[in-house]
Amino acid sequence: KNQVEQSPQSLIILEGKNCTLQCNYTVSPFSNLRWYKQDTGRGPVSLTIMTFSENTKSNGRYTATLDADTKQSSLHITASQLSDSASYICVVSDSGGGADGLTFGKGTHLIIQP
Amino acid sequence: NAGVTQTPKFQVLKTGQSMTLQCAQDMNHEYMSWYRQDPGMGLRLIHYSVGAGITDQGEVPNGYNVSRSTTEDFPLRLLSAAPSQTSVYFCASSYFADQPQNFGDGNRLSIL
Repeated sequence: KNQVEQSPQSLIILEGKNCTLQCNYTVSPFSNLRWYKQDTGRGPVSLTIMTFSENTKSNGRYTATLDADTKQSSLHITASQLSDSASYICVVSDSGGGADGLTFGKGTHLIIQP
Repeated sequence: NAGVTQTPKFQVLKTGQSMTLQCAQDMNHEYMSWYRQDPGMGLRLIHYSVGAGITDQGEVPNGYNVSRSTTEDFPLRLLSAAPSQTSVYFCASSYFADQPQNFGDGNRLSIL
């Protein structure tokens, strides 16, 4: 069964600090990996999407990495801001064909303290 | 563009009542999906559609019906509400099949 495991479950850091969130997956075949940000009370919003051949992709202060050999991804947040407080969800696509090929992680709940 | 619009935002139902959650998108997206999000669990797929007139079941379809008569609208119907259906429901859409989805802000449903 395809699985996506995220760690840590929750994380508290001080404003201005950096942090890294982890995503390990056992999804086959692999099409792409996505990171979403979900603010409290809102729907998820896409941050990045990476295919097999992409090792790194940035979106402002967010940088995602992918190691397709070890089936691991990370999301690095630089110089955190209060607005980064949210849940971050890792999603892996196995088929390239649509919603039924997506496996969602449970998310990492990030709290930025002033 | 309004994106993906879900209504109502909050609803309380009694066991056995029926209800339709509305989802509309104005981006001309072919692919639309319904998910439920429960504490401690990842998003789970209920039903999805690859275009008008075409729907299919996801991981947890029991107790829910969908239809897709137009490209824009994808309503989710709870046939006979049960307390286990208390959840937050998200509708999502995308233009291509393997493209990041646009999500609505959810319907928060409580079944008493």
